Amino acid sequence: DVVLTQSPLSLPVTLGQPASISCRSSQSLVYSDGNTYLSWLQQRPGQTPRRLIYKVSNRDSGVPDRFSGSGSGTDFTLQINRVEAEDVGVYYCMQGTHWPRTFGQGTKVEIK
Amino acid sequence: EVQLLESGGGLVQPGGSLRLSCAASGFTFSSSTMSWVRQAPGQGLEWVSSISASGATTYYADSVKGRFTISRDNSENTLFLQMNSLRAEDTAVYYCAKDSASFFYWGQGNRVTVSS
Repeated sequence: DVVLTQSPLSLPVTLGQPASISCRSSQSLVYSDGNTYLSWLQQRPGQTPRRLIYKVSNRDSGVPDRFSGSGSGTDFTLQINRVEAEDVGVYYCMQGTHWPRTFGQGTKVEIK
Repeated sequence: EVQLLESGGGLVQPGGSLRLSCAASGFTFSSSTMSWVRQAPGQGLEWVSSISASGATTYYADSVKGRFTISRDNSENTLFLQMNSLRAEDTAVYYCAKDSASFFYWGQGNRVTVSS
């Protein structure tokens, strides 16, 4: 199975400052069609998960442009520019290239 | 508007069975792969199972293989998860989700508790 390792697992941030979460895969996530099915999800406290980014760097509709995704192959990053209070929650990377689908352990973002 | 409405959760004893349903609307259900994802209390997300648009192909996490069965009724736009031989570690909120490579649309979640 593909193991997704996120770091850090806990991320205290100051409002208005940037934050970065890493997701490293045990295998390449490039699919045979040339796409890389790595997505990022946000789960606010008590809420259903919400997808922010798909195929590494594509922002979903309604997602603020302070969120961005980057990376390739096995190394991926979610960047939050200027963290806001509403960004508190747990962030997961997820791969949809290989079966079984797998998620990272989650990174808890909190305000200092 | 895409909607995924789950039902069928609840409390069940170890070794028991439950059937979850997910009623879909707002998109062409019969053209979409569908999935189940679960989240144990205080834990992260775990993919459980996916099914192709026709229902001909299914995939399962090792943790549920042989005990859970995913199916669908395209005439009723409904996804199912039959859960047998339930264990305490199956206690979780179960979400249905559209697609299988990436999940944009999620149901509201349905709580399953396995306890005596």
